[in-house]
Amino acid sequence: AQSVTQPDIHITVSEGASLELRCNYSYGATPYLFWYVQSPGQGLQLLLKYFSGDTLVQGIKGFEAEFKRSQSSFNLRKPSVHWSDAAEYFCAVSGNEKLTFGTGTRLTIIP
Amino acid sequence: DAEITQSPRHKITETGRQVTLACHQTWNHNNMFWYRQDLGHGLRLIHYSYGVHDTNKGEVSDGYSVSRSNTEDLPLTLESAASSQTSVYFCASSSSQGASGTSYNEQFFGPGTRLTVL
Repeated sequence: AQSVTQPDIHITVSEGASLELRCNYSYGATPYLFWYVQSPGQGLQLLLKYFSGDTLVQGIKGFEAEFKRSQSSFNLRKPSVHWSDAAEYFCAVSGNEKLTFGTGTRLTIIP
Repeated sequence: DAEITQSPRHKITETGRQVTLACHQTWNHNNMFWYRQDLGHGLRLIHYSYGVHDTNKGEVSDGYSVSRSNTEDLPLTLESAASSQTSVYFCASSSSQGASGTSYNEQFFGPGTRLTVL
């Protein structure tokens, strides 16, 4: 069965600092991987996705993620965070057109 | 623009009542999904459908049902609401894998329905 682990429940970062959110997955075949962002009281918005090819994928809002098969990881990064990045972030893996989500990481930005 | 909508956005009901949450998408997607979001659990799949008249149970389907009579709608029914079903519910849709070389399982989400069962 597929699964996703996001080991960090809550991360606090200063505005302008770099960010890395961790995601580890378990899936028997080549995974389709996603990062979604959820602002307070809102639905989920897709940040980026990985299907195949280049292991470094670029997304919206200046985010990127790197797929590392050897580590079963798909970590999300941003070189310089903005106050508007405060939100909850979900990693997900897809199989049979169904998504399995991690439990999420809440990102707090401090001035 | 195509979109996915949910109604109501907020609902308060009493234990034992039947409740139906609506989901409507204008993407013309074959696949539709219902999730619930709870603190510490992320999003968990309740039911899903790959097309008209197709429904399947997800990870947390007990106490819930769905029916798919057309492409656009997948209503979620709580047969007898329980306090444990207090949650935020999200509907999502996606086109079938590989259709027109697009989507690749990308799911588009509605804004959510906050349900409180007293």
